[in-house]
Amino acid sequence: GAGVSQSPRYKVAKRGQDVALRCDPISGHVSLFWYQQALGQGPEFLTYFQNEAQLDKSGLPSDRFFAERPEGSVSTLKIQRTQQEDSAVYLCASSSASGVPGVGYTFGSGTRLTVV
Amino acid sequence: GDSVTQMEGPVTLSEEAFLTINCTYTATGYPSLFWYVQYPGEGLQLLLKATKADDKGSNKGFEATYRKETTSFHLEKGSVQVSDSAVYFCALINLSGTYKYIFGTGTRLKVLA
Repeated sequence: GAGVSQSPRYKVAKRGQDVALRCDPISGHVSLFWYQQALGQGPEFLTYFQNEAQLDKSGLPSDRFFAERPEGSVSTLKIQRTQQEDSAVYLCASSSASGVPGVGYTFGSGTRLTVV
Repeated sequence: GDSVTQMEGPVTLSEEAFLTINCTYTATGYPSLFWYVQYPGEGLQLLLKATKADDKGSNKGFEATYRKETTSFHLEKGSVQVSDSAVYFCALINLSGTYKYIFGTGTRLKVLA
């Protein structure tokens, strides 16, 4: 597609519920990032994929967070047993492998997760 | 660790006023620096970038200069428009390890007609 698509756009979850957030990157983009943006804050790095390989998951806040990209295209961020502190906008970004770092990254519009 | 500090908002200006949004950073080595803009309901968009000391990034009338001696990357625009109202994020990428962004907390700009 023309851009990075994320779904759902909004998600309300009851505390303790599991959620799955989807990211469709730009076709052919090998790099994919997930970020978490709390209200009034800047995005914070969660995890990075190059094709299907998860090369960096240092930003995942707990073992309740899990991400996958099994075929090197669509990615899913899963949060188990959601807590109120998980409420945030979850952003996905993709990029081609070449070029200046940071240039050519396209961000999706995000999924706003609210845990009640 | 690496970090980015931005001036707190909101910043409220009249149309055609001069804009400065301060940004300073802490990083090992020589990071690349960026400004992103987020319009209401939209995703983050790259506004401008600079990859080495003394580089000036510019786009849509905005500019910022990579100042290594003061570890700063302040965003400026000579004459703002109502359409510039948005949240602005300063960010860096450290060229060692994963090319992940470190973002500041964002500065909301509101321009009044």
